[in-house]
Amino acid sequence: EDQVTQSPEALRLQEGESSSLNCSYTVSGLRGLFWYRQDPGKGPEFLFTLYSAGEEKEKERLKATLTKKESFLHITAPKPEDSATYLCAGQAQGAQKLVFGQGTRLTINP
Amino acid sequence: EPEVTQTPSHQVTQMGQEVILRCVPISNHLYFYWYRQILGQKVEFLVSFYNNEISEKSEIFDDQFSVERPDGSNFTLKIRSTKLEDSAMYFCASSAGTAQPQHFGDGTRLSIL
Repeated sequence: EDQVTQSPEALRLQEGESSSLNCSYTVSGLRGLFWYRQDPGKGPEFLFTLYSAGEEKEKERLKATLTKKESFLHITAPKPEDSATYLCAGQAQGAQKLVFGQGTRLTINP
Repeated sequence: EPEVTQTPSHQVTQMGQEVILRCVPISNHLYFYWYRQILGQKVEFLVSFYNNEISEKSEIFDDQFSVERPDGSNFTLKIRSTKLEDSAMYFCASSAGTAQPQHFGDGTRLSIL
């Protein structure tokens, strides 16, 4: 069964303190690994898609990387507005569904 | 920027009643999805829809559920005879292709009393 696990469940950082979020996946024949941001009471907002091991994508203070077993979301010099829950989702070859992890709740203190 | 819109934002229904959740996907997208998120749990896939038919569904999506694209813009999820355990946030999503990013609406919070 396809599974996605994220760690840590919650992370509290000071403004400017860089860190990484982890997403481990066991998805048969990964087609794509997706990162989303979810604010309270809102739907997931698309951030990145990674398709193959070694691929990296960047957007402002965020960089996503992918290996054959896991993905990392690196956040550099975060600001309070980066506070949100970050979701990782895998999609298997031939499938349309996304399999989500439980998310990492990130809090950036000023 | 184009977005997925869902109505209503909150629906309160008595157990056993039917409910219809509505979504307007992004206009040039071809694939449509429903997911749900029970409070404190993961986002779970329910169903995908392409070319006017269900293309994939989960075990959750049983005979109680149905989807429809009644016109060129709306996509609906119907839940017949609702149960207490159907209480959740229901998200609609759409994508341009199967490997393309799925874009989500802000959800309908369904509360079954």
